[in-house]
Amino acid sequence: GAGVSQSPSNKVTEKGKDVELRCDPISGHTALYWYRQSLGQGLEFLIYFQGNSAPDKSGLPSDRFSAERTGGSVSTLTIQRTQQEDSAVYLCASSLIHNEQFFGPGTRLTVL
Amino acid sequence: GDSVTQMEGPVTLSEEAFLTINCTYTATGYPSLFWYVQYPGEGLQLLLKATKADDKGSNKGFEATYRKETTSFHLEKGSVQVSDSAVYFCALSSSNTGNQFYFGTGTSLTVIP
Repeated sequence: GAGVSQSPSNKVTEKGKDVELRCDPISGHTALYWYRQSLGQGLEFLIYFQGNSAPDKSGLPSDRFSAERTGGSVSTLTIQRTQQEDSAVYLCASSLIHNEQFFGPGTRLTVL
Repeated sequence: GDSVTQMEGPVTLSEEAFLTINCTYTATGYPSLFWYVQYPGEGLQLLLKATKADDKGSNKGFEATYRKETTSFHLEKGSVQVSDSAVYFCALSSSNTGNQFYFGTGTSLTVIP
């Protein structure tokens, strides 16, 4: 079946512009996660959605970052007024509760 | 809070050498434990998992045993291959934390012929 998909696969933007990154989780997965992975670094947790509960936003690095999940399915991560330090690969994952996460291929964001 | 600590890399081994990557955890309750692998240029994928104490996860010749007494989940392989070169991440998930996942910082493994 279809896995987690993310779009775009690559995004190049200019400093100060806003960007939107999309994640389509596996159908039926109630949990959705966003992470950031900088070059050669580990995973940095950003935000977590579980069903209809309020999202865990504790990992968002600043108020320029926000995310929503519509209808319990697709999620969009928005970065406003991008900075060069936002350059990274943004990973989305989904899971059934109490099960392993399935990761998407990521969106590589480059801020010039 | 819950956390995972894994051995820092990078690790370089010769082909057919024995591999151990240490992982210890801190958690309330009874977490599930995972090893994920990220091959060069690819996304993360699950390598193996264990959901309760004394369980052994295994896949592709890799093994890890959930040790509650030592709060560990060390990854082992008896004979590594060049194709095992990747970054390995230990992770835990606990219902006590709303099924949130906690990842280690990753350990880079390079296997040389």
